[in-house]
Amino acid sequence: DAKTTQPTSMDCAEGRAANLPCNHSTISGNEYVYWYRQIHSQGPQYIIHGLKNNETNEMASLIITEDRKSSTLILPHATLRDTAVYYCIVLMYSGGGADGLTFGKGTHLIIQP
Amino acid sequence: EAGVTQSPTHLIKTRGQQATLRCSPISGHTSVYWYQQALGLGLQFLLWYDEGEERNRGNFPPRFSGRQFPNYSSELNVNALELEDSALYLCASSPMGTLNTGELFFGEGSRLTVL
Repeated sequence: DAKTTQPTSMDCAEGRAANLPCNHSTISGNEYVYWYRQIHSQGPQYIIHGLKNNETNEMASLIITEDRKSSTLILPHATLRDTAVYYCIVLMYSGGGADGLTFGKGTHLIIQP
Repeated sequence: EAGVTQSPTHLIKTRGQQATLRCSPISGHTSVYWYQQALGLGLQFLLWYDEGEERNRGNFPPRFSGRQFPNYSSELNVNALELEDSALYLCASSPMGTLNTGELFFGEGSRLTVL
């Protein structure tokens, strides 16, 4: 699976959009981009995933560049509860199971009041 | 619908002892994954079980082992405990086949402390 690069930490003001970047320059054509987050001492929570097209759900939006070498997770109106470590993962999903997702150290997003 | 459940929540052992952690996946999920998260570190993949078989293993010594039962629940065993085994152990589950979107559903973890 391709590796990812994320900033170690980021701050965002409450109520503003939080934009979390992820670089995955070695991604291959059949690899998906997944985002998870982990609130302190809890299990990680799935947020969103995509292949080529931009995706949106009730939690966030995922913007993938045309060359697929980077992506941005957008939390449109950040709240204090969004303070967490956000993990960007690239995975070749084959329908046979997530074969050992590799989580890096992620980005520690701190929402400031 | 119940989520992934793990037990015990906390476990304290001494060096050289054995620890057993348990995980019950979401109903209908056949795959179970184990991860280790030591303090200040990212999640390290340990083991993946599906349909009772070990499908993949992370870079951990053989004293980390596990199994999956016919009801798809799973155990993680850590033998000859070392201080550096102190960590949060997370279990996740997913369905297989066409229901699988690659999303993992995590439990809240079992915190193992080795003294």
